[in-house]
Amino acid sequence: DGGITQSPKYLFRKEGQNVTLSCEQNLNHDAMYWYRQDPGQGLRLIYYSQIVNDFQKGDIAEGYSVSREKKESFPLTVTSAQKNPTAFYLCSSSTGRRAYEQYFGPGTRLTVT
Amino acid sequence: AQKVTQAQTEISVVEKEDVTLDCVYETRDTTYYLFWYKQPPSGELVFLIRRNSFDEQNEISGRYSWNFQKSTSSFNFTITASQVVDSAVYFCALDEEDGNKLVFGAGTILRVKS
Repeated sequence: DGGITQSPKYLFRKEGQNVTLSCEQNLNHDAMYWYRQDPGQGLRLIYYSQIVNDFQKGDIAEGYSVSREKKESFPLTVTSAQKNPTAFYLCSSSTGRRAYEQYFGPGTRLTVT
Repeated sequence: AQKVTQAQTEISVVEKEDVTLDCVYETRDTTYYLFWYKQPPSGELVFLIRRNSFDEQNEISGRYSWNFQKSTSSFNFTITASQVVDSAVYFCALDEEDGNKLVFGAGTILRVKS
């Protein structure tokens, strides 16, 4: 089936460790996105990529890094520089053309203690 | 800058009641697109509808209907005869002027009680 997978569903890390969240899509979409969701704040854009080997910062990129080496994959690394990393992280993809909806993965809930 | 406001943080209704979720947006674009997404407890956002700025016709899909009014910059969502399965967080979104990103509202939590 076509879709977006994110793994793992739940992730636990100790403070000071970097952690990488996986996002894979088989929809042949050009654009991919990472969002962070906190209670009562909706979705905030971290990074997005419209084409392989290119990506742009979103509204809250500090403390995060990404890569886009393959069209299907857009991993997000939460670095130790991110002050409040505990959150729900959602990945999405789209054709990249205006007016087309984004398709979302099931999300990864990251807890850092 | 573009902005989406969902003033209702949380709404609780009893099954079979009708409920309207409000969405107000701000944009300087003359051409723009609005979206509604549903986020059930599983966490994955599900696309519900897209509306472009030139189409002000209301849309109905089963128990769902949407009212788009450019004069008041609103794109409200009504669920008729609500059901427990409608319980979720609902997000309204607006595409950015460069067309590459969506701006989301804060979301409205809908709780439907049996």
